[in-house]
Amino acid sequence: QKEVEQNSGPLSVPEGAIASLNCTYSDRVSQSFFWYRQYSGKSPELIMSIYSNGDKEDGRFTAQLNKASQYVSLLIRDSQPSDSATYLCAVTSGGSYIPTFGRGTSLIVHP
Amino acid sequence: EADIYQTPRYLVIGTGKKITLECSQTMGHDKMYWYQQDPGMELHLIHYSYGVNSTEKGDLSSESTVSRIRTEHFPLTLESARPSHTSQYLCASSEYGTEETQYFGPGTRLLVL
Repeated sequence: QKEVEQNSGPLSVPEGAIASLNCTYSDRVSQSFFWYRQYSGKSPELIMSIYSNGDKEDGRFTAQLNKASQYVSLLIRDSQPSDSATYLCAVTSGGSYIPTFGRGTSLIVHP
Repeated sequence: EADIYQTPRYLVIGTGKKITLECSQTMGHDKMYWYQQDPGMELHLIHYSYGVNSTEKGDLSSESTVSRIRTEHFPLTLESARPSHTSQYLCASSEYGTEETQYFGPGTRLLVL
């Protein structure tokens, strides 16, 4: 069974710091990797997607993928209280392309 | 903003009632999904569809059924609601391909008394 593991947290960081969120996955043939943000009581929304090894930057967000080690991470620079949410890692593999979601990591950015 | 809609947004219903949760998307996406999520808990995939006349069961055993007669519409039906069905139900859609970002609807919060 495909597994996606995340530390449930909460991860607490001060405002302005870098928040680092990690995700590991079990299926070696996974191809697509996504980070979703979910505010309490709301639906998930896409933050970043990454498909190749290395880093991908979008504003304050950087996704990092290492397929050899089977992990993907999300860095949030200059964290803001508005970044406080649960961050879901999702992984899809070839064939069905049905994503497997992790449990999510709760991030708290305190002023 | 994603064009995916769910109705009703909130529903309180008695045990034994039949209910249908509606989901529609205007993006022309072939793939659609239903997830169940309890507060603060993980997403559980209960049904998905690759396109018209395609329906598949997800990882979570569910007493619900789905249909996909039109591309834009993916309703979920509970024949006999029970208190254990109390949860939030999220509908999502995505395009075919390797870059399959999912777009989620606002969700339906169901309370079965």
